[in-house]
Amino acid sequence: NAGVTQTPKFQVLKTGQSMTLQCAQDMNHNSMYWYRQDPGMGLRLIYYSASEGTTDKGEVPNGYNVSRLNKREFSLRLESAAPSQTSVYFCASSEGPVNQPQHFGDGTRLSIL
Amino acid sequence: QKEVEQNSGPLSVPEGAIASLNCTYSDRGSQSFFWYRQYSGKSPELIMFIYSNGDKEDGRFTAQLNKASQYVSLLIRDSQPSDSATYLCAVKDTGGFKTIFGAGTRLFVKA
Repeated sequence: NAGVTQTPKFQVLKTGQSMTLQCAQDMNHNSMYWYRQDPGMGLRLIYYSASEGTTDKGEVPNGYNVSRLNKREFSLRLESAAPSQTSVYFCASSEGPVNQPQHFGDGTRLSIL
Repeated sequence: QKEVEQNSGPLSVPEGAIASLNCTYSDRGSQSFFWYRQYSGKSPELIMFIYSNGDKEDGRFTAQLNKASQYVSLLIRDSQPSDSATYLCAVKDTGGFKTIFGAGTRLFVKA
């Protein structure tokens, strides 16, 4: 039982390159989330998808786009990477959008030079 | 700006003692509160959630909620070295859709 799977686990990019982070869950959850985690700042919500077909901005959406491809998959795209986007990115899912606990993937460690 | 505040620590306790982790939040309309544990280099994992005022116990863990004081805490009884980790307090906003995380408290349990 994989839970939430993120790919890749590590990535190094040059400034200005683009890339897509992939996330898939096998728990039949309705809601999915993307966070970034920086030292001393905790987890910050980038985008979320309350249900298939919907996406909404979180606290720090600038420089990112998302796609809820189907109920299982939720991708995060960096169109033109910047050093400020160096971070650890976590995808999470929950049964529903309101007041439900979240289950996290293992994370993607992204460095932008 | 809705906030969740935690003491960054490190909080150091001897093995077998009670560890007390505290969290305050700014959104008075919040209805759901969560504690996650995160080992170094790993992802957060859910320990407990609490929705109502009072205490909720699960094994060695007790979550306490006081909505009037906008305060939530986590007690870990009989602390073990394996409990050494960063503990994240998380609060759903008034609408219940977005989760605001604290920066975490580092706990160190000395053998």
